[in-house]
Amino acid sequence: ETGVTQSPTHLIKTRGQQVTLRCSSQSGHNTVSWYQQALGQGPQFIFQYYREEENGRGNFPPRFSGLQFPNYSSELNVNALELDDSALYLCASSPAIQGLRAISYGYTFGSGTRLTVV
Amino acid sequence: AQRVTQPEKLLSVFKGAPVELKCNYSYSGSPELFWYVQYSRQRLQLLLRHISRESIKGFTADLNKGETSFHLKKPFAQEEDSAMYYCALKKNRDDKIIFGKGTRLHILP
Repeated sequence: ETGVTQSPTHLIKTRGQQVTLRCSSQSGHNTVSWYQQALGQGPQFIFQYYREEENGRGNFPPRFSGLQFPNYSSELNVNALELDDSALYLCASSPAIQGLRAISYGYTFGSGTRLTVV
Repeated sequence: AQRVTQPEKLLSVFKGAPVELKCNYSYSGSPELFWYVQYSRQRLQLLLRHISRESIKGFTADLNKGETSFHLKKPFAQEEDSAMYYCALKKNRDDKIIFGKGTRLHILP
């Protein structure tokens, strides 16, 4: 069983550029969530994907977008990068809700992608 | 809107002393609460969930709905407990998890 893997681990981009971050979810997990963690802050929810559709979104502008693929891997895209987008971007996966009795799970996190915008 | 507050950014405790990391939340319904931990150079990982009523690595946390708190406790701190701890809330089972800003626990020898 593999955990959550993210790529790349580090990235430097220039203001105004676009970036794509990638995530492979843990085996058996089909829900993927993306978080932004600025220095000294807790992770902030960006959005969640379930069955290839967005299933909830945090307070982030539309230039933050995502995709989930049939194999449950996911991408986070950020357009028109701003200096404040510099942060650690975390991907987390969790199992699907099962049947009428929803099972509560925590998330399994990846190690993150450190994005620096200059 | 739901919110998670961890009032201490840094908590220093001597080895062998009791530990209490505070967490308060604001949500009018029945939330699910979690504690996550991040050890140095490791990824964020789930420590415990209130729904499981479990003790992990000697840590426990009780949900107090009257005080809207979910404090993390351990009777005797160990040096390996030094880490960043995040309290987190989910307002229902298929919703996002919201994190507090975290408390850095430093165990003094």
